[in-house]
Amino acid sequence: AQSVTQPDIHITVSEGASLELRCNYSYGATPYLFWYVQSPGQGLQLLLKYFSGDTLVQGIKGFEAEFKRSQSSFNLRKPSVHWSDAAEYFCAVAAGYGGSQGNLIFGKGTKLSVKP
Amino acid sequence: EADIYQTPRYLVIGTGKKITLECSQTMGHDKMYWYQQDPGMELHLIHYSYGVNSTEKGDLSSESTVSRIRTEHFPLTLESARPSHTSQYLCASSPRDREETQYFGPGTRLLVL
Repeated sequence: AQSVTQPDIHITVSEGASLELRCNYSYGATPYLFWYVQSPGQGLQLLLKYFSGDTLVQGIKGFEAEFKRSQSSFNLRKPSVHWSDAAEYFCAVAAGYGGSQGNLIFGKGTKLSVKP
Repeated sequence: EADIYQTPRYLVIGTGKKITLECSQTMGHDKMYWYQQDPGMELHLIHYSYGVNSTEKGDLSSESTVSRIRTEHFPLTLESARPSHTSQYLCASSPRDREETQYFGPGTRLLVL
């Protein structure tokens, strides 16, 4: 069965500092990978996704993520964090598309706090 | 980007009441989903639908039921609310040609007293 692990429950970074949020997945084949962001009281917004091809994917709001098959990881990065980035970030995996394979399995999330 | 609407946004209700959480999307997406999210926890899929008259149970067992009479509408019903149903419920939808790319509504926070 697929699973997603986000090792860090809560991370605090200073505004302007770089950010890396970790995500590890468990799946036999190459999965579809996603990062979502959830601001307080809001639904989830898709930041970026990886299906195939270039292992470095660019997303919205200046985020990027790199797929590393050897490490079963899909870490999210941003070179310079803004105060508005404070939110909860969820990594998710899907087996594919079509039928139940398109259903997402989510990690428990990482809460990001930003210090001024 | 899909427009997904959920009402109510917040609901406080007593034990034993019947409640219906509404979810509507305006993008004509075929597949729709309901997730349950407790604080500090991952989202768990409780129901999904491939289209009209289709409903499936998700990974997490739930006492709620769903219906899909219209493409744009996917309501979730609890016949008799209990305190254990207190949670946040998120609705999502995805297009036919990219089912794995889901768009989420703002969620309904339910508190059962």
